[in-house]
Amino acid sequence: GAGVSQSPSNKVTEKGKDVELRCDPISGHTALYWYRQSLGQGLEFLIYFQGNSAPDKSGLPSDRFSAERTGGSVSTLTIQRTQQEDSAVYLCASSVAAQETQYFGPGTRLLVL
Amino acid sequence: GDSVTQMEGPVTLSEEAFLTINCTYTATGYPSLFWYVQYPGEGLQLLLKATKADDKGSNKGFEATYRKETTSFHLEKGSVQVSDSAVYFCALSTTGRRALTFGSGTRLQVQP
Repeated sequence: GAGVSQSPSNKVTEKGKDVELRCDPISGHTALYWYRQSLGQGLEFLIYFQGNSAPDKSGLPSDRFSAERTGGSVSTLTIQRTQQEDSAVYLCASSVAAQETQYFGPGTRLLVL
Repeated sequence: GDSVTQMEGPVTLSEEAFLTINCTYTATGYPSLFWYVQYPGEGLQLLLKATKADDKGSNKGFEATYRKETTSFHLEKGSVQVSDSAVYFCALSTTGRRALTFGSGTRLQVQP
């Protein structure tokens, strides 16, 4: 079956621009997670959505980062006024429910010039 | 807070050698433990997991046992292959924090 998909696969932007990253979770998965993978920081949790509950935003590094999940399915991660330190691979994962196995998408590689 | 510590890499082995990658954790409550693998140019894949003490996760010849007394979840394989070359991540999740907390990753390189 279809896995987690993310778009774009690569994004190059200029410092100060806004970017939007998209995640399509596996159909029927109620939990959705965003992580960031960078050389200096390893794999970091960003934000977590579970059903209709308020998202857990505790991992967002600054108020330039936000995310939404529409209709309990697709999610968009938005980074405003991008900085060079935002360069990383942004990973999305979904699971059937909280505490269940997370399945990862291929990631979006973001480069901020 | 929760944390995962993995042995530093890279680990370089010859084909058919025995593999151990150490992983220890700190967590409140009773975490679930995972090993994820990232092959070159690919995304993260779940390799194996264990959800309670003394459970053994296994897959593709890899094994790891959840040791509560030593707070460890070491990954082992009896005979590695070149195709096992990848980065391996140990991770945990808890009921209090559903998101995964990852270790720093260990790069394994297997030479023919």
